Amino acid sequence: SAVISQKPSRDICQRGTSLTIQCQVDSQVTMMFWYRQQPGQSLTLIATANQGSEATYESGFVIDKFPISRPNLTFSTLTVSNMSPEDSSIYLCSVGTGFTGELFFGEGSRLTVL
Amino acid sequence: AQTVTQSQPEMSVQEAETVTLSCTYDTSENNYYLFWYKQPPSRQMILVIRQEAYKQQNATENRFSVNFQKAAKSFSLKISDSQLGDTAMYFCAFMKPTGTASKLTFGTGTRLQVTL
Repeated sequence: SAVISQKPSRDICQRGTSLTIQCQVDSQVTMMFWYRQQPGQSLTLIATANQGSEATYESGFVIDKFPISRPNLTFSTLTVSNMSPEDSSIYLCSVGTGFTGELFFGEGSRLTVL
Repeated sequence: AQTVTQSQPEMSVQEAETVTLSCTYDTSENNYYLFWYKQPPSRQMILVIRQEAYKQQNATENRFSVNFQKAAKSFSLKISDSQLGDTAMYFCAFMKPTGTASKLTFGTGTRLQVTL
C-alpha cells in the first residue's frame, strides 16, 4: 500500500493566478498520476508523471496550463496556471505500486477559483 | 480507447438490504483489470474490490462481490447487508496492464445512499 499526502487540502484563488499542489508519498513509486474531478463529475486523468522524464499529458491537457514536476520517486507537483473559474475542481494525486494494479489516492486538493 | 459506463446516477438502499450497482465497459483488450472504488464525502478514494479479466471466478471481499461477465463486458458490484457507512459515490474503473501500474479509466459514478 501507499500513504499519500496532498497540500493544500483546499484553497480559494483569484482568476489569473497560479497554484502549485504537492503530492508526497511514503514510499518510492514509479508511476504517479494526476486526476481532475470537476464538481459532481467523475475523475479525468490529466497526466502521468514518471521520475526522470517529461510528464505524459492526456488529450485536452497541455503542459503550459498544467506543468508537472517529478524530482524523485516520492514527490510530485502539479501547477494550475492562469486559473479561471472553470479550473475549480478537486485535483487528486494517485500512485501505483505495480504488482496488484491497484492505484492509491490522496485526499485531493479542492480548488475554487473566483 | 476504453470506455466505462455506469447507467445508474443514484441509488438508494435500506440498511441491511442488498443492492447491485451496474457497470459496463468497452475494450478490445483481452487482459485487463476492473475495479470498484468508493469515494465517501471525505473525498478519499478507497478501493473496494478488483477483478483480473483472466480469472473466471468472481472476486469477493467480505460484503462486497462482483458479477463479472467478460463476454458481455459487464462488471456489477453487489453490496450485501448494507451499512450506513457504505453511503458514498461508487466508481467503476478499467485498467489496461502494462507490466507496472497504469492509468485508470473511470465511469461516471453511482451515488449510493443507505437509509435507516
